[in-house]
Amino acid sequence: DQQVKQNSPSLSVQEGRISILNCDYTNSMFDYFLWYKKYPAEGPTFLISISSIKDKNEDGRFTVFLNKSAKHLSLHIVPSQPGDSAVYFCAASGDNNDMRFGAGTRLTVKP
Amino acid sequence: ETGVTQSPTHLIKTRGQQVTLRCSSQSGHNTVSWYQQALGQGPQFIFQYYREEENGRGNFPPRFSGLQFPNYSSELNVNALELDDSALYLCASTTRGRHYGYTFGSGTRLTVV
Repeated sequence: DQQVKQNSPSLSVQEGRISILNCDYTNSMFDYFLWYKKYPAEGPTFLISISSIKDKNEDGRFTVFLNKSAKHLSLHIVPSQPGDSAVYFCAASGDNNDMRFGAGTRLTVKP
Repeated sequence: ETGVTQSPTHLIKTRGQQVTLRCSSQSGHNTVSWYQQALGQGPQFIFQYYREEENGRGNFPPRFSGLQFPNYSSELNVNALELDDSALYLCASTTRGRHYGYTFGSGTRLTVV
């Protein structure tokens, strides 16, 4: 059951430009959404999150937007840097904290 | 503060065998979840343990089982291994009720031949 979907397997952007990664979900019981970043041979690392009571959360260069009516969230990275190149996973959780992940988007930031 | 550690890092097993993977949760975390990540896919939720009880399970057969110990460390057991069980197995810990996100280990790469 793909409750969380990331429809773009890859994204390539130029250094300094904006990266926008998208995510859709189907389960209306999800009330917390997270983005994780994963480098090869490492476990995912927490990047930023947003509660369903908000529609935007910002942390430095990273901003997550949530559109509950559309069951859609996005991660904006501005400006993008080569070190941001990684696989980004969108995740969602409900009351019992069991997170469901999307398939990931591989971001490549070109110098 | 130590993070999440998993052992072993790599493992090769034969079809039909049984395997046990281990995870030490981050200090202060009482909830552990296990995920299977196949190549090119996102982590798939196997199950979660909270205070030594299974507390949620994904779409995995009963031959996937687990334990959580009083110190909150955990084991994932897989019986009757199949070729499709080859994947990266990730353990993640958190403190229940606090949405700070999970802390993941680096995973165990299981290959079934």
